[in-house]
Amino acid sequence: EAGVAQSPRYKIIEKRQSVAFWCNPISGHATLYWYQQILGQGPKLLIQFQNNGVVDDSQLPKDRFSAERLKGVDSTLKIQPAKLEDSAVYLCASNAGGVGADTQYFGPGTRLTVL
Amino acid sequence: GNSVTQMEGPVTLSEEAFLTINCTYTATGYPSLFWYVQYPGEGLQLLLKATKADDKGSNKGFEATYRKETTSFHLEKGSVQVSDSAVYFCALTRNNAGNMLTFGGGTRLMVKP
Repeated sequence: EAGVAQSPRYKIIEKRQSVAFWCNPISGHATLYWYQQILGQGPKLLIQFQNNGVVDDSQLPKDRFSAERLKGVDSTLKIQPAKLEDSAVYLCASNAGGVGADTQYFGPGTRLTVL
Repeated sequence: GNSVTQMEGPVTLSEEAFLTINCTYTATGYPSLFWYVQYPGEGLQLLLKATKADDKGSNKGFEATYRKETTSFHLEKGSVQVSDSAVYFCALTRNNAGNMLTFGGGTRLMVKP
């Protein structure tokens, strides 16, 4: 079974530029999460999708971050414009969804450096 | 709100030493508890989990017991190997909160031969 795929693996941009990350979850997984992991810290949830609907985006900085999952499969996370403090690893995770489906499977992450 | 506190690292041990990484949590209701591991250059992997009080999760020689009375989920291993060097994250989730994970800050383990 293929795992969660993410691209790109690394991205370097200058502040005020835009960037987008892509995630392809495990086939059949209804729930998809984006996390931000700043160096030396644990991951922090940004947004959760159930199929193509947003379940929770309370910690997403909506003035600059946006995310979509239009067909309920792949997802894209965008930052526009980027700030220095956005330098982090962006992790995508998925699970099957529903009661009892509490194990999340993580992709390798995209490491973003904002100069 | 929910929170997870784990001991700060790095933890440096010699091969075959006993490992304990402390983790305590604050949550309403009955969370599920997890340990995730992040090996150098790799993504987060589930190491073990426990879904109710007094459950013991185990995998690859690691164990952790869900202690509701002390709100703890300490990770232990009797004899560590160099290959166990990684960052370990304690986390919790509540099913009625969309299964989203709340992570601790992570503990780096370094095992020397």
